[in-house]
Amino acid sequence: DSGVTQTPKHLITATGQRVTLRCSPRSGDLSVYWYQQSLDQGLQFLIQYYNGEERAKGNILERFSAQQFPDLHSELNLSSLELGDSALYFCASSVDGDRDLSGANVLTFGAGSRLTVL
Amino acid sequence: EDQVTQSPEALRLQEGESSSLNCSYTVSGLRGLFWYRQDPGKGPEFLFTLYSAGEEKEKERLKATLTKKESFLHITAPKPEDSATYLCAVLGASGSARQLTFGSGTQLTVLP
Repeated sequence: DSGVTQTPKHLITATGQRVTLRCSPRSGDLSVYWYQQSLDQGLQFLIQYYNGEERAKGNILERFSAQQFPDLHSELNLSSLELGDSALYFCASSVDGDRDLSGANVLTFGAGSRLTVL
Repeated sequence: EDQVTQSPEALRLQEGESSSLNCSYTVSGLRGLFWYRQDPGKGPEFLFTLYSAGEEKEKERLKATLTKKESFLHITAPKPEDSATYLCAVLGASGSARQLTFGSGTQLTVLP
């Protein structure tokens, strides 16, 4: 167990629907990252939050949004779902989003949420 | 734009047969090169960080090395439990982003 908790583990939904993925970071970590992993794209960075504030944005679609709450858990909202959104969505956390991601500040990943859009 | 290319895509080894995985990268100002291991149905698990050319890190049967253009993950006398996908990632200095750029991974299968 990495200490990063993601729910749900599996989710099957239909095109056009909206889903919310939840992540609880490792105890003591202030920064949360969301990644998408699909068969043909590998791990793609979506967005980073640090202590409740958005810190960096990657290849996140406008249909997707995220937030980090005061208790530091984060939610990734995916709306108007398309078949191509089917993927594994990983949450990762680190102690401090401003320092290099190494040593004690290494990225720790959760087990992921597998989204299937039919 | 930072880029990472890993080869081969897949590798099958017999138990005890040593080999190397390659990670070629292009990055503006390397702040770190990372190796992760990913088992099926699980998230990536951190293995190593390398910072500068010539640096080496070891952990059990794994040894990671770094040059100015690529990194190698050497696997000595592998065991079936080493079977996994190995991911390479770089952290560059471009822009304000602090995210890692990952390669597509090498899927390693070690046969008993």
